[in-house]
Amino acid sequence: DAGITQSPRHKVTETGTPVTLRCHQTENHRYMYWYRQDPGHGLRLIHYSYGVKDTDKGEVSDGYSVSRSKTEDFLLTLESATSSQTSVYFCAISDFRGMATEAFFGQGTRLTVV
Amino acid sequence: DQQVKQNSPSLSVQEGRISILNCDYTNSMFDYFLWYKKYPAEGPTFLISISSIKDKNEDGRFTVFLNKSAKHLSLHIVPSQPGDSAVYFCAASPNTGNQFYFGTGTSLTVIP
Repeated sequence: DAGITQSPRHKVTETGTPVTLRCHQTENHRYMYWYRQDPGHGLRLIHYSYGVKDTDKGEVSDGYSVSRSKTEDFLLTLESATSSQTSVYFCAISDFRGMATEAFFGQGTRLTVV
Repeated sequence: DQQVKQNSPSLSVQEGRISILNCDYTNSMFDYFLWYKKYPAEGPTFLISISSIKDKNEDGRFTVFLNKSAKHLSLHIVPSQPGDSAVYFCAASPNTGNQFYFGTGTSLTVIP
């Protein structure tokens, strides 16, 4: 299994509070991604990173920010959590270096905003 | 707008028979396609992939077929086993290779 650790695994938070989810990899892969999984929507890309301090938006980036200060860590921050951000969040990594390759996923973080 | 579509939310198959999961895509820039398997409370795990230069790729019981003109791919599992019961996601990546677009998933149940 790819060395990807997400923390926390479960979190309940109140509407309006900031929340940060962490993804840590030990594979030295260049690309890191944050997805959310919701019924009827599958997996949707929130943000991704292609290197330290290099990030870009995905399909559903509103209300989220990310940071990558080290190769191994990719943080997802909900600035002010809303109930619509209740979801399961997955981090993924990819070693894309010019040839298409697969992404590997973490175990997920279940976030509930009440 | 969903660029990768899995129109069958669920599929039930008898053990030992063939399971066929389908996926359609709309973006002609996609040139790498993947299937992932997901069990409850776990992350998706990579199953098999295919490049647009091929029309078939096999790995044991799993075969992926790609029809570029129809923008359609399918995953065949034969013979199906109860342990194959999971949600299967189809994904596509453009020729830039740095993003993955997922379908909504198909829940496969293999009946013993």
